Amino acid sequence: NAGVTQTPKFRVLKTGQSMTLLCAQDMNHEYMYWYRQDPGMGLRLIHYSVGEGTTAKGEVPDGYNVSRLKKQNFLLGLESAAPSQTSVYFCASSYFPGRNTEAFFGQGTRLTVV
Amino acid sequence: SQELEQSPQSLIVQEGKNLTINCTSSKTLYGLYWYKQKYGEGLIFLMMLQKGGEEKSHEKITAKLDEKKQQSSLHITASQPSHAGIYLCGAPKGGGNTPLVFGKGTRLSVIA
Repeated sequence: NAGVTQTPKFRVLKTGQSMTLLCAQDMNHEYMYWYRQDPGMGLRLIHYSVGEGTTAKGEVPDGYNVSRLKKQNFLLGLESAAPSQTSVYFCASSYFPGRNTEAFFGQGTRLTVV
Repeated sequence: SQELEQSPQSLIVQEGKNLTINCTSSKTLYGLYWYKQKYGEGLIFLMMLQKGGEEKSHEKITAKLDEKKQQSSLHITASQPSHAGIYLCGAPKGGGNTPLVFGKGTRLSVIA
């Protein structure tokens, strides 16, 4: 039962470097999400997708890009990493957002930008 | 958009004691979700409440939804060390089929 898998689990980047975080789900969910979690700020929605080929902005989208080329994968990209992007990133998926169905979360990616 | 405020921010209780965590919404609630997170791990779904007055229980955890007050409460009876972690409430950000937004969480410690 893999559920939602995030790769990598840990990463250290230098300021200005780029990277891509990969999220994969094996539950055939339509909706996928990227959140970041910071001390005192809780979970904040970065971007989300309502289906293959679609993406939408969340609460804190600046500095990030996403792609959903395949239904099971949702990629989060940082083009030029900044120390303010040091955070724990969580991917989640659900059949539908909001009502009636819960979101399943991955184990998180701890990113440090130095 | 939806904003959720949780109280208290942190809580330390003695093993065996009862406790309550509250989640108050800035807007009408179209469902409320409770998750638990252990340090360094992902979120684990606990319960989903959809209707005003609804109450659900799982083992020693009970959650209630008061739509009129735009509030939900999570009550743990006879707390155990296994209950320790961060509890987060989430709700659809715009109502209906919209992604969840979350409160900032309540950190619970249970001491022997």
